[in-house]
Amino acid sequence: QVHLVESGGGVVQPGRSLRLSCAASGFTFSSYGVHWVRQAPGKGLEWVALISYDGSNKFYADSVKGRFTISRDNSNNTLYLQMNSLRGEDTAMYYCAKDSGVEAVAGEFDNWGQGILVTVSS
Amino acid sequence: QSALTQPASVSGSPGQSITISCTGTSSDVGSYKLVSWYQQHPGKVPKLMIYEVTKRPSGVSNRFSGSKSGNTASLTISGLQAEDEADYYCCSYAGSVSWVFGGGTKVTVL
Repeated sequence: QVHLVESGGGVVQPGRSLRLSCAASGFTFSSYGVHWVRQAPGKGLEWVALISYDGSNKFYADSVKGRFTISRDNSNNTLYLQMNSLRGEDTAMYYCAKDSGVEAVAGEFDNWGQGILVTVSS
Repeated sequence: QSALTQPASVSGSPGQSITISCTGTSSDVGSYKLVSWYQQHPGKVPKLMIYEVTKRPSGVSNRFSGSKSGNTASLTISGLQAEDEADYYCCSYAGSVSWVFGGGTKVTVL
């Protein structure tokens, strides 16, 4: 059974950095692309970033481009999101979500972690 | 990318059918057969209900169906049940390896 567990969230001041992790189990992590999707309190979902199954390709939403970096460690089945220059509008629940495509991006998110809350506030 | 447009709320009585619309543009919904729908109960994690416009993942009830016409995708829930009360989000591939979600629709079972 697919299991995704995020960690690393918390309260951080504007302009500071934070790194989120997502530990994966129950599937062949190295065969699937993984996304980060966020949800501001009381708001809708927003796609943030995608990393390909082998880590060779990374894509970002315009709202985070240049500030966030997605990466993965396939030897440890872990996904990361390095968030720099954080802003108040980055306050959200951050979910890691597995793409359904095997060694290719299918574009649907078939398994989600429980999410981790990031609050950017002074 | 601008968010896809969904009605804020839709309601129906048990047993009825409801349809949630999701309107995008020719750059997203209108250009790709890559529309998916997610159900999210309060305080819970989103769940994939429909992918590639019309396909249902294993385990999702056949009361849920999807369609698309032009720049608008739709999710229909037939035989509405109390457990269907949740927020529903559409999502479309938007080109250049990016995705855009709708603002969400709250479904209420009367």
